[in-house]
Amino acid sequence: IVMTQSPATLSVFPGARATLSCRASQSVSSNLAWYQQKPGQGPRLLIYGASTRATGIPDRFSGSGSGTEFTLTISSLQSQDIAVYYCQQYNNWPPKPLTFGGGTKVEIK
Amino acid sequence: EVQLVESGGGLVQPGGSLRLSCAASGFTFRSYWMSWARQAPGKGLEWVANIKEDGSEKYYVDSVKGRFIISRDNAKNSLYLEMNSLRAEDTAVYYCARESITVFGVAYYYYGMDLWGQGTTVAVSS
Repeated sequence: IVMTQSPATLSVFPGARATLSCRASQSVSSNLAWYQQKPGQGPRLLIYGASTRATGIPDRFSGSGSGTEFTLTISSLQSQDIAVYYCQQYNNWPPKPLTFGGGTKVEIK
Repeated sequence: EVQLVESGGGLVQPGGSLRLSCAASGFTFRSYWMSWARQAPGKGLEWVANIKEDGSEKYYVDSVKGRFIISRDNAKNSLYLEMNSLRAEDTAVYYCARESITVFGVAYYYYGMDLWGQGTTVAVSS
């Protein structure tokens, strides 16, 4: 399953809403996670099951969608949210492989 | 402190071998599935392999099958990745990650990779 994220780069004013998209080449049901990666760091799990926030994740992060279209929304962008965001599908694992999207880089405008 | 620390990366010639290690601390390592993922320079993430809590199940991405072996030693709280027949395209930062997975019979319930290390760099070049 190929995961395609858009846009590649997103520039947002501080305090504004950021909307990131992830599309699957075939249905993955709700078997989708989102990760945040800051420079020089390993990724951090934000969302699993398409819409469930992981432990300790602020409620300004929300996930939605099912099937082939998914969205990660940051309701009010903070400076510490500057990062690259990846979606990951885990439908039919095992034995099918886990796959990530190419990422969306979020910048401050 | 709950953490994962990778080691063992370095420069290796094409066709060579390398063994990566991941030391876990601050949680009950034997109770978790574990994964290796990688990130080529300037690229996105790619899952490589994962292994069940007791080592009885292992899964790999097609591009490394037959070349890489994932293993673990629960007594040492350690995860390993044996990499053989290395290619230039294996050049990447390699991360270990803890996975939250529940298995009921033949049903697998996946909740994501909820703890990641800082990564170790592997460069394959002559």
